[in-house]
Amino acid sequence: QVQLVESGGGVVQPGRSLRLSCAASGFSFSSYGMHWVRQAPGKGLEWVAVIRYDGSNKHYADSVKGRFTISRDNSKNTLYLQMNSLRAEDTAVYYCAGRVVGANTVFDYWGQGTLVTVSS
Amino acid sequence: SYELTQPPSVSVSPGQTARITCSGDALPKQYAYWYQQKPGQAPVLVIYKDSERPSGIPERFSGSSSGTTVTLTISGVQAEDEADYYCQSADSSGTYPWVFGGGTKLTVL
Repeated sequence: QVQLVESGGGVVQPGRSLRLSCAASGFSFSSYGMHWVRQAPGKGLEWVAVIRYDGSNKHYADSVKGRFTISRDNSKNTLYLQMNSLRAEDTAVYYCAGRVVGANTVFDYWGQGTLVTVSS
Repeated sequence: SYELTQPPSVSVSPGQTARITCSGDALPKQYAYWYQQKPGQAPVLVIYKDSERPSGIPERFSGSSSGTTVTLTISGVQAEDEADYYCQSADSSGTYPWVFGGGTKLTVL
């Protein structure tokens, strides 16, 4: 079955870096675009970044542009999020996710999330 | 940046109909999607392309669109429907492919 497993979260000091990973299985990972979405404690969902299926195009939310980098390794079925210059407001559960919409079908996929806490 | 606006909360009694709205300038041009999220869980898609229902989602969930507003309707609300609901769409330029509304807490009285 389809599975997305995030890892790499933890407690990190402000200004430091962290890299999240999302291991995919059960579907053709290399054929689909992938997103990172985050959710601060008690807050709503916030889109972070997207990468095209082949890694050729990327977009970022204004709040992370210039600090975060999304990438993927299709040979390893893995999505990454490199987070630099972390701030307290980056504290959140980070989900990897994606969606493919057909004429009358949809394939929507989310991981269970990994918690990043930015604190001194 | 682009924003989608939802009411913070909606309350209904069991068996009644709940309607949750989402407003955004690009909604006439971009499809809307609705997610249900229960505490401690990842979001679950309940409506796609404004009004389509994914396989496995109960028929009581429906969606509609009118101008700059889309609406999620839950008919015959059940206690298990109590959750946060988020609309999601894109801006008209494609710069922000996923934008989420602020979320609506549905309370079943």
